[in-house]
Amino acid sequence: AQTVTQSQPEMSVQEAETVTLSCTYDTSESDYYLFWYKQPPSRQMILVIRQEAYKQQNATENRFSVNFQKAAKSFSLKISDSQLGDAAMYFCAYRSENTGTASKLTFGTGTRLQVTL
Amino acid sequence: DTGVSQDPRHKITKRGQNVTFRCDPISEHNRLYWYRQTLGQGPEFLTYFQNEAQLEKSRLLSDRFSAERPKGSFSTLEIQRTEQGDSAMYLCASSHLLGFSEKLFFGSGTQLSVL
Repeated sequence: AQTVTQSQPEMSVQEAETVTLSCTYDTSESDYYLFWYKQPPSRQMILVIRQEAYKQQNATENRFSVNFQKAAKSFSLKISDSQLGDAAMYFCAYRSENTGTASKLTFGTGTRLQVTL
Repeated sequence: DTGVSQDPRHKITKRGQNVTFRCDPISEHNRLYWYRQTLGQGPEFLTYFQNEAQLEKSRLLSDRFSAERPKGSFSTLEIQRTEQGDSAMYLCASSHLLGFSEKLFFGSGTQLSVL
């Protein structure tokens, strides 16, 4: 079974600064997908960014980028120019590429990000 | 596109009672998922539907849990004889595309408290 570990329960960043959230995972599969989701106080999970394991190029979405290290099974999220609206719980998630698996995501325990003025 | 809607937002019940939650997915989304999130944890997969067919159920879904999606539209999740361990947030998500392009749209969840 796959596991996802987020070792930082809480992080804090000043507005306009950069912060990196860590995520490691364990799997015996070679093809899979990785995601970062944001969960604000509204409780709705929102997809931030996703990465296909076969792609060496790191995904980027505006101020959000990832550092994907497949051999190390590491998938960190970098938030640049942090904004107050970035304050939320961030979850790292894994999904197998196996046919028929659908979006059965395995989530980590989350990192609470605080953004200060 | 009004998003995924879940009702109720909060539910408080006594141990042993039955509860039912409803999820209205984004229209024309053919897949619908249920996840459960306990305090301090990430969501855990419970079950999913493709149209009206329930294709997979997690081991977490005991016999007291039943989910339906009649006519492939809204879905209900019923918990019979609730236990304190059932206290959690129940999240619903829907999607349309398959494969990696599948993007889940989550609702705001139903928070269940079993006293």
